[in-house]
Amino acid sequence: AQKITQTQPGMFVQEKEAVTLDCTYDTSDPSYGLFWYKQPSSGEMIFLIYQGSYDQQNATEGRYSLNFQKARKSANLVISASQLGDSAMYFCAMSSSLSGNTPLVFGKGTRLSVIA
Amino acid sequence: DAGITQSPRHKVTETGTPVTLRCHQTENHRYMYWYRQDPGHGLRLIHYSYGVKDTDKGEVSDGYSVSRSKTEDFLLTLESATSSQTSVYFCATRANSGPPYEQYFGPGTRLTVT
Repeated sequence: AQKITQTQPGMFVQEKEAVTLDCTYDTSDPSYGLFWYKQPSSGEMIFLIYQGSYDQQNATEGRYSLNFQKARKSANLVISASQLGDSAMYFCAMSSSLSGNTPLVFGKGTRLSVIA
Repeated sequence: DAGITQSPRHKVTETGTPVTLRCHQTENHRYMYWYRQDPGHGLRLIHYSYGVKDTDKGEVSDGYSVSRSKTEDFLLTLESATSSQTSVYFCATRANSGPPYEQYFGPGTRLTVT
């Protein structure tokens, strides 16, 4: 069975600083996909970034990057130059397929607060 | 935005009553999912569908049933609502092929069972 662990229930970061949100995963599948979603206080789920298990390079999307360490089974999200609008709940998730069409398994989330 | 709507957006119901939540999508996506979100649990899978009349159970399926008679609609039914089913329910869809590989989420339905 797959499992996602997010060990930081809450984090604070100063505006314009970088922050790393931790995510470790457990799976016996060789093929899988890793995802990060953002949930602001308004409640919607916003996709941020995707990493496939065979991808050699870390994924990047604007200010978001995924620090993928396969041997350690970690998929940390790095947000550079934090903004007040980054304050939200962040969820790490994985699928048992590279294409992400299988259901997602989510971690419990990390609440990020950006301080001015 | 994958054109996903959920109805109702908010509902208060009494214990023991049946409840049906509707997920409607306009993108002709084959894959659809129902998740529930509870504090301290993240999102957990209830049921999913890989196509019309092709559904399967997820991690927390007890007390729920689903139906998918059309590509665009995925219905979640609570046969007899209980207080433990008070939650926020999210529907999600996935494009028929990718990339992109993301699942698109609807706005959610907040259900309160009294």
